[in-house]
Amino acid sequence: GDSVTQMEGPVTLSEEAFLTINCTYTATGYPSLFWYVQYPGEGLQLLLKATKADDKGSNKGFEATYRKETTSFHLEKGSVQVSDSAVYFCALSFMEYGNKLVFGAGTILRVKS
Amino acid sequence: EAQVTQNPRYLITVTGKKLTVTCSQNMNHEYMSWYRQDPGLGLRQIYYSMNVEVTDKGDVPEGYKVSRKEKRNFPLILESPSPNQTSLYFCASSFRSGAGTGELFFGEGSRLTVL
Repeated sequence: GDSVTQMEGPVTLSEEAFLTINCTYTATGYPSLFWYVQYPGEGLQLLLKATKADDKGSNKGFEATYRKETTSFHLEKGSVQVSDSAVYFCALSFMEYGNKLVFGAGTILRVKS
Repeated sequence: EAQVTQNPRYLITVTGKKLTVTCSQNMNHEYMSWYRQDPGLGLRQIYYSMNVEVTDKGDVPEGYKVSRKEKRNFPLILESPSPNQTSLYFCASSFRSGAGTGELFFGEGSRLTVL
């Protein structure tokens, strides 16, 4: 079945460091890809998305590019802040599934000042 | 304010004692869904509803029931909770026209412990 694999965390960085969180997917077809973020004590929020190959999603300084050839959607940010500390989830969705999201296990990011 | 509201946020109960987790959204969304979040497994879909009186099983429906009598409400019912249902539960909603766009709006979560 369809699945999403994320790098295991926690990832601990110093403020202003470069962030990469790896995400790869397995799917029969070409899904839409998403990154959701969960801040402590809150529900998930959509961070960015890409709906077709080579699309780049971006928001709040975060970016991810949909790479069909490597089935990847890695999340990057050039300079992280303490306020970026959260759990990040990669997810995929197919039109055929309706609104269902298939999530990865999540990656905890801790940013130290 | 547009939001998805879940209650209770925290609950400790005992095996076999029926409980209901309520979910309400004020955005007039057709689609609603329940997920459970477990360490190392991410979020897994329990049940979903495409509209009033239309519900269907997700990936892990065993031990759960749902109903959708009104558009805004989508309660999750555990008829006879067991310890393996100890988890963090999220309700989510979206417009049906968002199919495939992945833009779900999530509640703040309900942490359930079954002893």
